Amino acid sequence: EDQVTQSPEALRLQEGESSSLNCSYTVSGLRGLFWYRQDPGKGPEFLFTLYSAGEEKEKERLKATLTKKESFLHITAPKPEDSATYLCAVQAGGDDKIIFGKGTRLHILP
Amino acid sequence: EPEVTQTPSHQVTQMGQEVILRCVPISNHLYFYWYRQILGQKVEFLVSFYNNEISEKSEIFDDQFSVERPDGSNFTLKIRSTKLEDSAMYFCASSVGGHSTQYFGPGTRLTVL
Repeated sequence: EDQVTQSPEALRLQEGESSSLNCSYTVSGLRGLFWYRQDPGKGPEFLFTLYSAGEEKEKERLKATLTKKESFLHITAPKPEDSATYLCAVQAGGDDKIIFGKGTRLHILP
Repeated sequence: EPEVTQTPSHQVTQMGQEVILRCVPISNHLYFYWYRQILGQKVEFLVSFYNNEISEKSEIFDDQFSVERPDGSNFTLKIRSTKLEDSAMYFCASSVGGHSTQYFGPGTRLTVL
């Protein structure tokens, strides 16, 4: 069964304190791995798509990496406005659907 | 920047009533989706729609649910007889291709009393 597990469930950091969020996955034939940001009461906001092991993508203070078993979302020198839930999702070959993890709730303290 | 829009933002209904949730996907996208998120839980796939027909659906998407693209811009989700457990955020998404990035709308919060 295709699965996505995110850790930690919640993370509190001081402003400027860098860290990484983990997404472990098992999927039959990975088509793509996606990172989204979700603010309370809002829809998932697209951040990155990764397609193959070794791929990296960067946007402002965020960098996403992918291996054959997991993905990391690295956040460098975060600011309070980076506080949100970060969702990881995968799409298996042949499927339309994407399967989400439970997310990591990130809180950046000023 | 083009975005997916959804109406209404909040819908309150009585158990057993029919509801229609509306979405306007991004204009050049060909694949459309509905997901839901029960409070505190994961985002779950309901259905995908391509070329005017359902291309994939989950176990959640039973006979009480239906989707339609009534015109060139709207995509709707109908729940025929709502149950208490249908209370959730419902998200519409769209993508250019079947294996392209899915872009999500802001959601409709459905409350069934």
